[in-house]
Amino acid sequence: GAGVSQSPRYKVTKRGQDVTLRCDPISSHATLYWYQQALGQGPEFLTYFNYEAQPDKSGLPSDRFSAERPEGSISTLTIQRTEQRDSAMYRCASSLATNTEAFFGQGTRLTVV
Amino acid sequence: GQSLEQPSEVTAVEGAIVQINCTYQTSGFYGLSWYQQHDGGAPTFLSYNALDGLEETGRFSSFLSRSDSYGYLLLQELQMKDSASYFCAVGGNQGGKLIFGQGTELSVKP
Repeated sequence: GAGVSQSPRYKVTKRGQDVTLRCDPISSHATLYWYQQALGQGPEFLTYFNYEAQPDKSGLPSDRFSAERPEGSISTLTIQRTEQRDSAMYRCASSLATNTEAFFGQGTRLTVV
Repeated sequence: GQSLEQPSEVTAVEGAIVQINCTYQTSGFYGLSWYQQHDGGAPTFLSYNALDGLEETGRFSSFLSRSDSYGYLLLQELQMKDSASYFCAVGGNQGGKLIFGQGTELSVKP
């Protein structure tokens, strides 16, 4: 695609529900990142993929968080049993390879009520 | 682990020059990047330094000293539209784990 696309743009969910966020990266990009960004803060690393491999998921806050990229293209971030503290902007980025320019999507604003 | 430090905010006037510093600690180092983010928008890439020295891209320049674990972003001929948050980021773990600083909010005054 022309850019990194994330859906939904906004998600409101009740505490305890599961949510799945989607990221469609630029088609030629091997590397895909997930970040959590609170207002006024920098993007906090969650995990990244090289194609379908997930070399590092050390930033995932708990085992309620998981990410997949089964075919090395589209990725999903799933949060199980959501809590209010999970409310944040979730950003996806992709790059041709590691150590190259990362292109960010517009993010998904998650609100847990 | 990895950590980055940059000033939380900087104020400058239109037409001036401003320097935003970044110091980092990483277990592995694979380059220093800079990103700009306007309110409500996505971060966008500005520059990348893998080696020591100065990289120039128009009004923006970025510098890296690997021996000092230090870099800076230099913005010249400031314009009102440059008001934004600026993040430094380092790649470690063979570059894959791209870590961002907390950002410097730049306010450009008339």
